Amino acid sequence: DTEVTQTPKHLVMGMTNKKSLKCEQHMGHRAMYWYKQKAKKPPELMFVYSYEKLSINESVPSRFSPECPNSSLLNLHLHALQPEDSALYLCASSQRVTGSGTGELFFGEGSRLTVL
Amino acid sequence: GQSLEQPSEVTAVEGAIVQINCTYQTSGFYGLSWYQQHDGGAPTFLSYNALDGLEETGRFSSFLSRSDSYGYLLLQELQMKDSASYFCAVSGNQGGKLIFGQGTELSVKP
Repeated sequence: DTEVTQTPKHLVMGMTNKKSLKCEQHMGHRAMYWYKQKAKKPPELMFVYSYEKLSINESVPSRFSPECPNSSLLNLHLHALQPEDSALYLCASSQRVTGSGTGELFFGEGSRLTVL
Repeated sequence: GQSLEQPSEVTAVEGAIVQINCTYQTSGFYGLSWYQQHDGGAPTFLSYNALDGLEETGRFSSFLSRSDSYGYLLLQELQMKDSASYFCAVSGNQGGKLIFGQGTELSVKP
C-alpha cells in the first residue's frame, strides 16, 4: 500500500465554521507533512511531524491547528479561516524527515478548501 | 534562507528531448528532488540527487552539480502525457524542510 489518503476531497466552509482535514498513510512512514498550494504556485510547507511530534511550524496562523494522533494519522483543524485561505491542502509522508537521506515525499490527492 | 530558480514555461514536441534547469541557494544542502504535477493532481516524486552526476530512470534523468548549485531534469522521447508542471525542490539542514521551486509548466505539442 503506497497511498496517502486525504478526506474530504472538497470542503466549503464559512469564516465562523470549524472543520478538520484528515490524512492517513499505512506505509510505516514516520514523517508527515501539511502543505498548502494555490493555483499555479508551488506547494508551501506548513507543518512537519517527525515521530508524531511537531518539528516544524512555518509560522502558520493559529487558525490552522495540526494534530498527529498516531503514526498513521494527521489532522488539520480549521477555525475562523479567511477567504484567502482557500487553497489545495496537501498531506505528504516520508520514511523519515527529508534532509536525512531522501527527498522523496508521497503526496495525497489533497483537500480543496473554499472559504466563503 | 533557501531559493530556487527554474524557467516558468517550456514547450516541446512529441518525441523530442527537453531539459528543465534549476539553480538553488540554500544552507546545509542535502539534495535536489524533482516532482511532476498534472493539473488537478498531486505532486509525484520523480528523482532525487544527493551526489554530483546523472541519475537515470527510464525516459527521465536528473543531474546535479553541487559546486555550481545547479541541477536539471532531462525528459526524453516526450509524450503528450508528460505535459505537466515540474518542480525542483531542495532539502537542507533543517530536517523535514523540503522547499519547492516555482515550477516549470511543460507543454508537449503533437
